[in-house]
Amino acid sequence: KAGVTQTPRYLIKTRGQQVTLSCSPISGHRSVSWYQQTPGQGLQFLFEYFSETQRNKGNFPGRFSGRQFSNSRSEMNVSTLELGDSALYLCASSLSSAVETQYFGPGTRLLVL
Amino acid sequence: GQNIDQPTEMTATEGAIVQINCTYQTSGFNGLFWYQQHAGEAPTFLSYNVLDGLEEKGRFSSFLSRSKGYSYLLLKELQMKDSASYLCAVRSGNTPLVFGKGTRLSVIA
Repeated sequence: KAGVTQTPRYLIKTRGQQVTLSCSPISGHRSVSWYQQTPGQGLQFLFEYFSETQRNKGNFPGRFSGRQFSNSRSEMNVSTLELGDSALYLCASSLSSAVETQYFGPGTRLLVL
Repeated sequence: GQNIDQPTEMTATEGAIVQINCTYQTSGFNGLFWYQQHAGEAPTFLSYNVLDGLEEKGRFSSFLSRSKGYSYLLLKELQMKDSASYLCAVRSGNTPLVFGKGTRLSVIA
């Protein structure tokens, strides 16, 4: 079974731009969660989607948004990028809920200049 | 809220045993996970504890004491490839996992 895939793997943007990241979960997994990982803060939860609905949201500003499609693929968008948004963005999938064992993708490393 | 603490860095010798501790404060505890993350890679699932006691899986074991809010990950017969960050994550009720900041383990010859 193929694992979680994320595209792109690396991205460089400038302040003020916006970015869209994509995640394809493991086949059969319907829950997709997004995390931001930085050296100082560790892994922080952004949001979880299930059946095209946002089920949980972390403590991030409204510039961070996401969506899920009917095939469970998910995208997250960050608008008006700030330098502090530079991080590794990880997507994780699980069968039906973020409270189950999650399987992570390789991440998208975003650098904001 | 939740508070999860683990040491920032540890160093151990190849072939030895190392114990990585994790303490947590949370209400509605509903399970504790350990993940391994090599530099530049995704976290991979190692273990899950929801009841008190020791769970053994090959060279890796994980222990939980719910009354003490404490867990540890035990790695035996350390190998160089075990050099990685080890993340402790706690589940409370039906809320998403909260991760500690991770312990970076360096295995030296």
